[in-house]
Amino acid sequence: EAGVAQSPRYKIIEKRQSVAFWCNPISGHATLYWYQQILGQGPKLLIQFQNNGVVDDSQLPKDRFSAERLKGVDSTLKIQPAKLEDSAVYLCASSLRQGANMNTEAFFGQGTRLTVV
Amino acid sequence: AQSVTQPDIHITVSEGASLELRCNYSYGATPYLFWYVQSPGQGLQLLLKYFSGDTLVQGIKGFEAEFKRSQSSFNLRKPSVHWSDAAEYFCAVGSTGGGNKLTFGTGTQLKVEL
Repeated sequence: EAGVAQSPRYKIIEKRQSVAFWCNPISGHATLYWYQQILGQGPKLLIQFQNNGVVDDSQLPKDRFSAERLKGVDSTLKIQPAKLEDSAVYLCASSLRQGANMNTEAFFGQGTRLTVV
Repeated sequence: AQSVTQPDIHITVSEGASLELRCNYSYGATPYLFWYVQSPGQGLQLLLKYFSGDTLVQGIKGFEAEFKRSQSSFNLRKPSVHWSDAAEYFCAVGSTGGGNKLTFGTGTQLKVEL
């Protein structure tokens, strides 16, 4: 079974530039998550999709971050304009479904390491 | 709001020694608890999870964890550490109201001395 695919693996940009990350979840996984992991911290959820609808984006800085999941499969996370504090690893994860039944594991991609200079 | 505390930022153990990584959580109901491991440049891999039932949970790679409700803890253990276990370990608590949102601790970096 193929895992969660993310690209690019690394990205370096200057502040105020824009950047986009791509994620392809495991086939058949309805739920997709984007996490931000700043160096020395645990991952923090930015946004969660169920199919192509947003379930939770309460911690997404909406003035500069946006995400979409067209057709309920692939997803793109965009930052515009980037700030120095956006330097982090951006992890995508997917799971079979959302719900009170938590017998569904979240599988993580390798992440995209973003450096803003 | 749910939260997770991992009090040990770094731990060093000798290969073959036993290991215990501490995790304390804060959650208003019965929590769903997880331990993930992250090797350099890699994503997170699930070691084990607790949803209900037996409070001693077995995971992959010889790891186990025990849920103690009275102490709000979910400590990770391994009887004999291998050099390949060197990595960062994250404890996480999942919401039970749907959404499967995970809240992670800050992680414990494990170093294994040969």
